[in-house]
Amino acid sequence: DSGVTQTPKHLITATGQRVTLRCSPRSGDLSVYWYQQSLDQGLQFLIQYYNGEERAKGNILERFSAQQFPDLHSELNLSSLELGDSALYFCASSLRSHQETQYFGPGTRLLVL
Amino acid sequence: AQSVTQPDIHITVSEGASLELRCNYSYGATPYLFWYVQSPGQGLQLLLKYFSGDTLVQGIKGFEAEFKRSQSSFNLRKPSVHWSDAAEYFCAVGGYSGGYNKLIFGAGTRLAVHP
Repeated sequence: DSGVTQTPKHLITATGQRVTLRCSPRSGDLSVYWYQQSLDQGLQFLIQYYNGEERAKGNILERFSAQQFPDLHSELNLSSLELGDSALYFCASSLRSHQETQYFGPGTRLLVL
Repeated sequence: AQSVTQPDIHITVSEGASLELRCNYSYGATPYLFWYVQSPGQGLQLLLKYFSGDTLVQGIKGFEAEFKRSQSSFNLRKPSVHWSDAAEYFCAVGGYSGGYNKLIFGAGTRLAVHP
């Protein structure tokens, strides 16, 4: 158990819908990262937050957004969902923002029908 | 550009045999290197990491990896594989770039273990 929690574990929804994935980092960690794992793209970095502020963006679509709240939990919002958004979404956390080990949560499996 | 290559998509070994999973990276500065393992339906568990110092690093579950700068490699090894080691293994490179700590993953190597 890494100490990173993600909810829900599974999510099934329809195209065009909007969902919110939630992540709670390890106690004391200030950085939260979101990754997407899909069969065709592999594991890809989406976005990082550090202590409530967006720190970096990776291959994140404009339909996707995230935020980190004062209690340091984070939410990833996916809107106007398409079939291709079906994937495993991981959250990771680290103590600070750089030169750090990232610890991963169990992931949320999203299926868009 | 930063990248990680895991040349072997699938590897099958017999239980008790030795294992080596290959990883090559491309990174302009000093890399931070990681191996993660993902069991079916599970998240990513950190096996070991290299930041600096001794180039042979020990990890959990009896795994070790050796950083070879001249070969841009960070291969994962285990002297005797157990059936419970069947999983997918990911090599990742990270570094401080532009103020953030992004991990770039390889495509993964799926390990099957025969009894």
